[in-house]
Amino acid sequence: GENVEQHPSTLSVQEGDSAVIKCTYSDSASNYFPWYKQELGKGPQLIIDIRSNVGEKKDQRIAVTLNKTAKHFSLHITETQPEDSAVYFCADLNTGTASKLTFGTGTRLQVTL
Amino acid sequence: DSGVTQTPKHLITATGQRVTLRCSPRSGDLSVYWYQQSLDQGLQFLIQYYNGEERAKGNILERFSAQQFPDLHSELNLSSLELGDSALYFCASSVGPDQPQHFGDGTRLSIL
Repeated sequence: GENVEQHPSTLSVQEGDSAVIKCTYSDSASNYFPWYKQELGKGPQLIIDIRSNVGEKKDQRIAVTLNKTAKHFSLHITETQPEDSAVYFCADLNTGTASKLTFGTGTRLQVTL
Repeated sequence: DSGVTQTPKHLITATGQRVTLRCSPRSGDLSVYWYQQSLDQGLQFLIQYYNGEERAKGNILERFSAQQFPDLHSELNLSSLELGDSALYFCASSVGPDQPQHFGDGTRLSIL
């Protein structure tokens, strides 16, 4: 993609609450949208992804939604736990022309007890 | 554990020097990608190789070069190092160019 905007930059929730992180992309040809979780001292870990032919995907407490018309995609984490605390990155990719992931600027999620 | 191995974990060197970062992709992955992560620039794509051939290039400096060897491991060479090159360098791999990318734990490069 060309540019990916991510909000918010920081998010603090209480344990058990839900967290939502939103991204907007600019390249209308983007067709693959992964989310990564990065813990301190580690590399980004792929937690869920979605392709443009799907509107929603869920994996246990994590879900991703995609609105192609608005060029928005969001990460939803339910029943948050302290171990969900990390920096989350969204990204997009146009698999037809290039394989480089364009990343958002990251969201630092803090889950408090 | 993603299965992507990067060495060394930490590298401290001086300006003007040259370093080589190494990456072993996950078993079966043919694509290797290099990314740079810095506080001011975030995660930026540098270069991609697929089965030994360069496939895509990002904003990689001319002082930087990479290659992928027949055994599919990759090396990123950084030369004439400057203070601004201090960053985390990540390698990722995937089965193919349109498949999910899995990242290693990176090499932290510090230029003194």
